[in-house]
Amino acid sequence: AQSVTQLDSQVPVFEEAPVELRCNYSSSVSVYLFWYVQYPNQGLQLLLKYLSGSTLVKGINGFEAEFNKSQTSFHLRKPSVHISDTAEYFCAVTLKAAGNKLTFGGGTRVLVKP
Amino acid sequence: EPEVTQTPSHQVTQMGQEVILRCVPISNHLYFYWYRQILGQKVEFLVSFYNNEISEKSEIFDDQFSVERPDGSNFTLKIRSTKLEDSAMYFCASSEEFAGYEQFFGPGTRLTVL
Repeated sequence: AQSVTQLDSQVPVFEEAPVELRCNYSSSVSVYLFWYVQYPNQGLQLLLKYLSGSTLVKGINGFEAEFNKSQTSFHLRKPSVHISDTAEYFCAVTLKAAGNKLTFGGGTRVLVKP
Repeated sequence: EPEVTQTPSHQVTQMGQEVILRCVPISNHLYFYWYRQILGQKVEFLVSFYNNEISEKSEIFDDQFSVERPDGSNFTLKIRSTKLEDSAMYFCASSEEFAGYEQFFGPGTRLTVL
C-alpha cells in the first residue's frame, strides 16, 4: 500500500522569504503526485500535479515542485511567500495502475509572518 | 467558476442517530468521492463512485456507511447509526475523468457526534 509522509507539521516563515515543504512517498508501483492547499474554512484546492514528463512542475500562485524518483520525493517550493500563503498544504498520491483514491500526507501548516 | 458544494456546513447529532451529508458535485463530472479528516489526523479516503455504483471503498467504509446519487445533481453519504468516532470533517470531491485528473473538493461538513 502507498503512504505519504510530510516531514514538517508546521513551518513558520517571514513574508518574502522562500519556503520548502517536504513530501516523501512510498509505493511499490508508479504514482501520480499532487499538492493541495487548504485555506481556513475552505475545501482543498489543487496547487499542482505531476503525472509524467518534466520533473519540475509549476503550479498556481507561484508554487513549484520537483519529482525525484530515486528519493521518492515531491517537495514543494515558493521563492517568495506572501501573507496570503498562510494555509495548510497537503501532499497526496494516487496509483497509476489502479484506482483514483488520493492518499494524503499529514499536512504542513504554513504561517507567514510579516 | 464551478465548484463543489456541501450541506450542511456543520451537523451535530446524537450517537446512534442516522445522518445524511449532502454534496452537489460539478455538473459535468463523472466520478465522485468522499473523504474524511478526524481532527488532528490525515485526510482519509472513504469511497469513490462512478456510473451509479461504488468503484472503490476503504476499510473505514463499512456497512454503516452508504452513498447514493438520488438524482442528477446530488451525491449523499449516509451514516446509519453514528458513533462518537465518526466525528470528523467530511469532504466530498468530484473529477471529470479517472486517474490523474484533478479532484475538486467541497468545503466540507463538520460532523459532531455527542
